[in-house]
This record gives sequence, C-alpha cells and structure tokens, in this order.
Amino acid sequence: ETGVTQSPTHLIKTRGQQVTLRCSSQSGHNTVSWYQQALGQGPQFIFQYYREEENGRGNFPPRFSGLQFPNYSSELNVNALELDDSALYLCASSPRTSGSYEQFFGPGTRLTVL
Amino acid sequence: GENVEQHPSTLSVQEGDSAVIKCTYSDSASNYFPWYKQELGKRPQLIIDIRSNVGEKKDQRIAVTLNKTAKHFSLHITETQPEDSAVYFCAASRPRAGNMLTFGGGTRLMVKP
Repeated sequence: ETGVTQSPTHLIKTRGQQVTLRCSSQSGHNTVSWYQQALGQGPQFIFQYYREEENGRGNFPPRFSGLQFPNYSSELNVNALELDDSALYLCASSPRTSGSYEQFFGPGTRLTVL
Repeated sequence: GENVEQHPSTLSVQEGDSAVIKCTYSDSASNYFPWYKQELGKRPQLIIDIRSNVGEKKDQRIAVTLNKTAKHFSLHITETQPEDSAVYFCAASRPRAGNMLTFGGGTRLMVKP
C-alpha cells in the first residue's frame, strides 16, 4: 500500500502565471481534498473531489480549480497567481465509506509566488 | 461556516511535564474532532481523534476530551518527551461533510530536555 504523494515538491512562479499541482491518493481511497497552509497557520480547506466531481468548496475564488481522474488522482490549478498564494499546498485522501473519517495527508507542494 | 479557535499558540514545557491544548468550535453540528501533529517540513499526521458520541479517548500518553455543550475539546499529553516538540492542530468537521476539515491556527509545543 502506497501513501499519498504530491508533485512537485517545490515550485517558484511569478505573479500572474498559472500553476498545476498533482496528487496521487492512497491506494483504495476515492476522495481527495486540497488544503492551503500559509506559513505559521493551520491548513485551510480549498475543495474536495469525489468520483471526479467537486464535492465541496471552501472560501476560495474561482481561479482555484481542480480535477479528479478515474484513478482518483487529482490536480489543483491556480490561475492569475497572486503573492498571497505563496503557501504549502496539501492534498489528503480518504476512503468514502460510512464511518470512515480519517484523512491521510501528502507531503505538500511548497509554492512561492514572486 | 465552522470556525475553530485554538489556544495557546505556543507552549513550552519541561520534559516529563504535561501539556494541554484547547480548541473551541462554533458549529454545533460538527461531530468529528481530529488532532494532527506536524513536524517542521513534514506532513500533518493524525495522532488521535474523537467523535461526538464519546466524551474522552485515550491512547498511551495522549488523550482528548470533548465537551459538546460548551463546544470545546482538548488535547492532553502526559510525560512529555523532546520528540513531542512540533506544531499541533485541532480540526472539526460536520457529518456527511465528506471529511472536510476546519483547522485551528496551531500550537507550537516545545519540550525542553
């Protein structure tokens, strides 16, 4: 059984550019959530994908979008990057079964916007 | 939406002492309360969680208590060790919310040897 993986590890972009981050869920997990963790703060929920559809969304603008693929892996896309988008982006996978609550986090992608 | 407040933001204890971190939540419908430990540069790791149908849960040196009436829950670490030093986050989620977590701001715990 493999854990949650994310790529790339680090990324540097400039303001106005677009970025795509990738996440492979843990084996057997069909739900992927994305979180933004600014330095010194707790993770903030961006959105969640289940069965290739967005299942819930936090307080983030539409320039944050995502995809989930049939193999349950996921992408986070951010358009028109702003300086405040600099953060650690975490994805977490979980099994969508009754009574299953735990989320397993990936190592994150550190995005720096200059 | 849900709002989770966490205190203190930093906590320094002597090795062997106990540490207590407290969180309050705003949504009375929340029913799942996990605690995560995040070491520097690493991913958050679940250390213990509690559901709203129980008031207390213990796992070796770690325990969590939940007061649904007051809408607060706490993490207790006994006999602290230097390797307990990390940032701890509490979180909350609602039923059937697909495990969408609202996190507190974090507590940096420093255990002095």
